[in-house]
This record gives sequence, C-alpha cells and structure tokens, in this order.
Amino acid sequence: DADVTQTPRNRITKTGKRIMLECSQTKGHDRMYWYRQDPGLGLRLIYYSFDVKDINKGEISDGYSVSRQAQAKFSLSLESAIPNQTALYFCATSDLDTEAFFGQGTRLTVV
Amino acid sequence: QQQVKQSPQSLIVQKGGISIINCAYENTAFDYFPWYQQFPGKGPALLIAIRPDVSEKKEGRFTISFNKSAKQFSLHIMDSQPGDSATYFCAASIGLTGGGNKLTFGTGTQLKVEL
Repeated sequence: DADVTQTPRNRITKTGKRIMLECSQTKGHDRMYWYRQDPGLGLRLIYYSFDVKDINKGEISDGYSVSRQAQAKFSLSLESAIPNQTALYFCATSDLDTEAFFGQGTRLTVV
Repeated sequence: QQQVKQSPQSLIVQKGGISIINCAYENTAFDYFPWYQQFPGKGPALLIAIRPDVSEKKEGRFTISFNKSAKQFSLHIMDSQPGDSATYFCAASIGLTGGGNKLTFGTGTQLKVEL
C-alpha cells in the first residue's frame, strides 16, 4: 500500500460544482501539504498543516479550502470549481526536516 | 515572481552522456535544496538534497553542485541511462518553525535519454 494515498485519481467536474480531494497517509507524519502542478509552472503550494489544529495558506490558496480531520487525513476542497483550476494536485507529508513524500496525484478537469 | 528559476525546460542526452540541469534562487534564507524526480503518472520523489554549508554532494551517478555566492545549484547525472528519463524539479525551502519543509519548486526539466 502507498504511504500517501489520494482519492480520486481522476475527476471531471462542471464549473460551479463543489469538489473534495482526499489524502491519507500512513507515514505517521504531522506535516501535510497540498500542491498544484501545472505544465511549465512546476508545483505550487496551496495549503499546509503542521498538526490537526494548524492550517496555513500557501502561495495560491484563493479558491481553495482544506480540512485536517486527523493526523493522517488532509482534504482539499474547491467550493465552486472554475476551469483554471484544472490541474494535477498532489498531497505530501513530511516530518521535521526530512524529505517530503508525495501521493500519486489527482488529475482534476473542470469543464 | 519565480523564486527558483530552472533551466533548461527540456533536455535530450545520449545514453552514457552527462545531463546537467541548473537552478538559481533569490531568497538567501533558503537553507535546504532538494532535487525531485517524477515519472509519468507518479508523484515526485526525492532524488538528492544539499544544505548550503557544502559545495557538492554525490550519491551514485547523481551530484549536486552548490554555489552559495552565485545563488545557484545544479544537478549532474553521470552516465545517463534511458531509465533516467523523467521530469526533474529543483526546490528550495526555509526551515519552518518546528521543522518541516515548505518547498518552493522550479518549473521542471523534462529529461529524455536516448539510446
């Protein structure tokens, strides 16, 4: 089983719809992150969380919200999806100064 | 504003050759510089990383060269193999209070190693 699991792996949704992307991890790490990947732009940080009670905005948080339901679970929501949110989304975890472990990604298409 | 600039965008190397990818950063507070490798359909995975107190780090065929005064670092892949064909991202981070890495990524380099 993967250390960082994202669901769904692929999703097509309509403009204006609410959608939630889920992430769970078995690494036992406190720190979790949501990144967005676009061609030619690399990965950009949306939100990050140090523990269940801690949520922080990243560089591109507008239009997104997150929920840290437990140490192992961190979900990303698009309250009203728009086409320019079409991208590949990655969840990651890390502990202190160790490497970040990424999930396999969710490919989201907003039509 | 792109805090970590990466070049080239794409790179084709013959098998056995040397692949070189360059990155430059602006924020002198960055204190951790990892390189991530990403295969199609997969998430990025850490390849090698360096701290600014050393100028070079080598792990097998992969070497990071770091120039603190120039605010540049590069990845060298020696004896490049077709299995190295992937997208490579440089990144930089500042140690967050309590630890953890909030990574700022470069834009990525698509490497293709031809036979």
